[in-house]
Amino acid sequence: DGGITQSPKYLFRKEGQNVTLSCEQNLNHDAMYWYRQDPGQGLRLIYYSQIVNDFQKGDIAEGYSVSREKKESFPLTVTSAQKNPTAFYLCASSIQSDSNEQFFGPGTRLTVL
Amino acid sequence: QKEVEQDPGPLSVPEGAIVSLNCTYSNSAFQYFMWYRQYSRKGPELLMYTYSSGNKEDGRFTAQVDKSSKYISLFIRDSQPSDSATYLCAAKGNTGFQKLVFGTGTRLLVSP
Repeated sequence: DGGITQSPKYLFRKEGQNVTLSCEQNLNHDAMYWYRQDPGQGLRLIYYSQIVNDFQKGDIAEGYSVSREKKESFPLTVTSAQKNPTAFYLCASSIQSDSNEQFFGPGTRLTVL
Repeated sequence: QKEVEQDPGPLSVPEGAIVSLNCTYSNSAFQYFMWYRQYSRKGPELLMYTYSSGNKEDGRFTAQVDKSSKYISLFIRDSQPSDSATYLCAAKGNTGFQKLVFGTGTRLLVSP
């Protein structure tokens, strides 16, 4: 089956810890994205990558880091510098960065204890 | 002011009703308009997208864009309980990479 997988589904973190959220796609898409979703707010773009070995900051990149060493993988690290990390994190991909169709993964719910 | 505004709802309708979901936007550069459906604790699923003004139909779903009033609509005919979800509208510009700007989502509840 083609699609986007995210793991884990639920993640608990203690304050001061870094955690890494996994995102994998087998759609052969060039572009990948990370969004954050909070109640009462729309999806907000954290980072995006238009092609392997390249990535750009989105609107709320502070406290996050990413890498794009492989076309199919775009992991997101939530660092201790992120002041309010509890949220629902969504990974997406598209054929190219100017494509109108973005396909989303199932999401990871991160809770800081 | 948010670039894309959407009433959070919830919007409650009986099964079989025609549902109208709406968004407004403020950025005149937006050219593409999308509707996503998101079930609870799941990722959004793209329903359809339209370019500029006009209508687009796909089964029970019709998307409508009125650029003169900066108004986006999604109509659902013969609504079903399985349509109960949060509906997100999104918009983007036309040149190169343009980020998707999302509304906050409208929660729809269709009762049997």
